[in-house]
Amino acid sequence: GNSVTQMEGPVTLSEEAFLTINCTYTATGYPSLFWYVQYPGEGLQLLLKATKADDKGSNKGFEATYRKETTSFHLEKGSVQVSDSAVYFCARLRGGSEKLVFGKGMKLTVNP
Amino acid sequence: ETGVTQSPTHLIKTRGQQVTLRCSSQSGHNTVSWYQQALGQGPQFIFQYYREEENGRGNFPPRFSGLQFPNYSSELNVNALELDDSALYLCASSPAITGDGYTFGSGTRLTVV
Repeated sequence: GNSVTQMEGPVTLSEEAFLTINCTYTATGYPSLFWYVQYPGEGLQLLLKATKADDKGSNKGFEATYRKETTSFHLEKGSVQVSDSAVYFCARLRGGSEKLVFGKGMKLTVNP
Repeated sequence: ETGVTQSPTHLIKTRGQQVTLRCSSQSGHNTVSWYQQALGQGPQFIFQYYREEENGRGNFPPRFSGLQFPNYSSELNVNALELDDSALYLCASSPAITGDGYTFGSGTRLTVV
């Protein structure tokens, strides 16, 4: 079916460590792909997005590349900070659809 | 430019009761969508409202209903509350009926006891 699978946490890293959060999707056609972040006690904020194959979304040092051949949209950051501690959600949107489909989310804690 | 605001922020209800949650959309946005986020899960699409009519619905029973008003604000109503309805309810507005360009509110935390 149409779904989003992301690696489950929780994950704890030290400051300045490298971060990868895996995300794969199933969908008909070529969906748009998103990463959302949820800080403690807050709603979702769009972190980055990509709308077609080979697009790279980037924001605040985070990057993700839309890989059609592997149906993946892995999130990476070269050097995490304590302020990156949050829950990260991968999501996909089929063309013309009103409905975002989210993964289960991954909680990241970054220690000083 | 104001963002999406939701009220109340927290709410405790008893099983079987009814609840109404409110959402004011971001300025310039005419579409409102509602999501349910259970603890430890990703948000699940409930429904979307555009021009005061429902425009798409997820896998939720009819006791979940909604309204959109001429100023594009919206309400989510849940009747006959069940314990499993305990969740964070997120409202998102967008400038179009597609799901791109969503701005999310901070949510209403509903606890059913």
